[in-house]
Amino acid sequence: NAGVTQTPKFQVLKTGQSMTLQCAQDMNHEYMSWYRQDPGMGLRLIHYSVGAGITDQGEVPNGYNVSRSTTEDFPLRLLSAAPSQTSVYFCASSYSGSPLHFGNGTRLTVT
Amino acid sequence: DQQVKQNSPSLSVQEGRISILNCDYTNSMFDYFLWYKKYPAEGPTFLISISSIKDKNEDGRFTVFLNKSAKHLSLHIVPSQPGDSAVYFCAARRGLSGTYKYIFGTGTRLKVLA
Repeated sequence: NAGVTQTPKFQVLKTGQSMTLQCAQDMNHEYMSWYRQDPGMGLRLIHYSVGAGITDQGEVPNGYNVSRSTTEDFPLRLLSAAPSQTSVYFCASSYSGSPLHFGNGTRLTVT
Repeated sequence: DQQVKQNSPSLSVQEGRISILNCDYTNSMFDYFLWYKKYPAEGPTFLISISSIKDKNEDGRFTVFLNKSAKHLSLHIVPSQPGDSAVYFCAARRGLSGTYKYIFGTGTRLKVLA
C-alpha cells in the first residue's frame, strides 16, 4: 500500500519557469490538499479538494493552480516560479473525518 | 493571523521524563484537534487526536489534554524516549460540515536526551 506518493523529491527551478508537482494516493480518499512548510511558519494550506472536480483555496494560494480530474491525483502547478516559492511541499489526503495522511514531500528551490 | 500557535520552538527533555508540548488556538469554531510528528526528510505522521467534546485522550505513552475555555491543548509523552525526538505539530479543524481546512501550528522541536 503506497499511501500518498509525491514526485519529484527534489527540484530546482529558475525564476519564471513553470512546473507541476505530482501527488497520487491509492486509498480512495475524497479529500486531498497541498501544504508548504517554511522555517518558523509551520505548515500552511495552499489548496484543497473535497472530491473530483472540486477545489478551493487555502491560506496561501497565490502563484499556484490545482485541478482534480480523478480521485487519485491532485497536481500542484507553479505558473511562474518565484524565489518566495522555495519551500518543502507536502500533499495530504483523508476520508471524511479521518486524520490527514501525508506524502514525503517535494523540496523545491527557485533561484 | 496565526489561528494555531505553538509558542515554544524547541524543548529538551531527559530520557524517561515527561515531555509536555503546548498549543493555543484562537478560533472557537475548531472542534477537532490533532498532533503530528515529523522526522527529517519525511512527511508528518498522525499521532493522536481529540474531539472538542472530550477533555482528554490517551494512546499508550501519549495523552492529549484539551482546555476549551482557555483554548489550549497539550501533548504529554510519558516516558520520553530518544526515538521521540522530532518536530511536533498541532493542528485544528472545523466540523465535518466545515471547510475541511486543517490549520497547523509552527511546530515544536523535541529533543530527548539519552
